[in-house]
Amino acid sequence: GAVVSQHPSRVICKSGTSVKIECRSLDFQATTMFWYRQFPKQSLMLMATSNEGSKATYEQGVEKDKFLINHASLTLSTLTVTSAHPEDSSFYICSARGLTSLNEQFFGPGTRLTVL
Amino acid sequence: QKEVEQNSGPLSVPEGAIASLNCTYSDRGSQSFFWYRQYSGKSPELIMFIYSNGDKEDGRFTAQLNKASQYVSLLIRDSQPSDSATYLCAVKQGGSEKLVFGKGMKLTVNP
Repeated sequence: GAVVSQHPSRVICKSGTSVKIECRSLDFQATTMFWYRQFPKQSLMLMATSNEGSKATYEQGVEKDKFLINHASLTLSTLTVTSAHPEDSSFYICSARGLTSLNEQFFGPGTRLTVL
Repeated sequence: QKEVEQNSGPLSVPEGAIASLNCTYSDRGSQSFFWYRQYSGKSPELIMFIYSNGDKEDGRFTAQLNKASQYVSLLIRDSQPSDSATYLCAVKQGGSEKLVFGKGMKLTVNP
């Protein structure tokens, strides 16, 4: 089956620093990747959609200058949380969709970010 | 605002019982409907999806879709303690790549 990995799985950083999260599709080419954020006891909220080689499309209310997304290849997308603050602490999950799975998104295992 | 609503729960059922999870959606243009299971601290995993009105069965799971009522449900037969998780309903609007998730319902299956 389609496998998506994320790295790191858990990160703790100081306020004001930047954190990069990687999302990789391991056995398929991901034409589209999605980044979600999930706060405790809440559902997944889509942050942005990225297509390989083009700029990400951000959801309303998500700061594009704070959450930098790069989808440079068909197997890798990165999310960089710039100048992180404690309110950015959350569970960040990526998902990927390939050419042959137009309706299904395959989720990565998630990254738990804690900003002190 | 296109919304997906799930009963707030939590839902608790004894082992072997049928668990029924419900979801309503506001956008009549929605075309694809998904049920995900999420264990605590983990990312969602797809249980099943449904596109057409009616029932779709996969093992112990049955998804039911009623587009006229804008309602989708998930039945879990012979519930097991390992089914204890949060179940998320997700809806994909026609012509869109995006999934809109409900808040999820926590299910506990008691041995």
